[in-house]
Amino acid sequence: QKEVEQDPGPLSVPEGAIVSLNCTYSNSAFQYFMWYRQYSRKGPELLMYTYSSGNKEDGRFTAQVDKSSKYISLFIRDSQPSDSATYLCAFNAGNMLTFGGGTRLMVKP
Amino acid sequence: KAGVTQTPRYLIKTRGQQVTLSCSPISGHRSVSWYQQTPGQGLQFLFEYFSETQRNKGNFPGRFSGRQFSNSRSEMNVSTLELGDSALYLCASSLVTGRETQYFGPGTRLLVL
Repeated sequence: QKEVEQDPGPLSVPEGAIVSLNCTYSNSAFQYFMWYRQYSRKGPELLMYTYSSGNKEDGRFTAQVDKSSKYISLFIRDSQPSDSATYLCAFNAGNMLTFGGGTRLMVKP
Repeated sequence: KAGVTQTPRYLIKTRGQQVTLSCSPISGHRSVSWYQQTPGQGLQFLFEYFSETQRNKGNFPGRFSGRQFSNSRSEMNVSTLELGDSALYLCASSLVTGRETQYFGPGTRLLVL
């Protein structure tokens, strides 16, 4: 079993839709939970960072963590074509990040 | 504040050669981590440096090595290149030890022929 499971997609939605992206993990040592966005041929860009169960909101983005179920989600409200990218969940235990494989999102005008 | 910079951005090498990639972290950041990204394996951790010392190492062969200088700039080296080393190599910096938020550079795309 992989430490992190993330559906690769692609996920195609119309502009304005609410997007839900998810990851499950198995390592109880993971302490920090992150979402990165990566555009084609670019480095990952940090979107959200949290270390506790519950919700964290930043503009159109909401990160949700459920440590008991080992499940994290990223919600994007009012999705825009510019949100089209690959979204990677990431987990930190110690000094290294463990990434999910990424979900490719396409928002169509 | 300038972001993480990586040089070169693109590189083409042949099997058996060696390559050195460079990373300059965000000013004030002392931890530098390196990752390899491929379509098949995704993003995988290579190693992390802090105060010129390797603090953590991923599951890669000894052909992959790195170092960090006193100004926090870092280099990674891959010797005896193999076709499977073709990848996007990403550098990330963080303030202290890598436990905090890591910020990524644009990467160096290496193609091994």
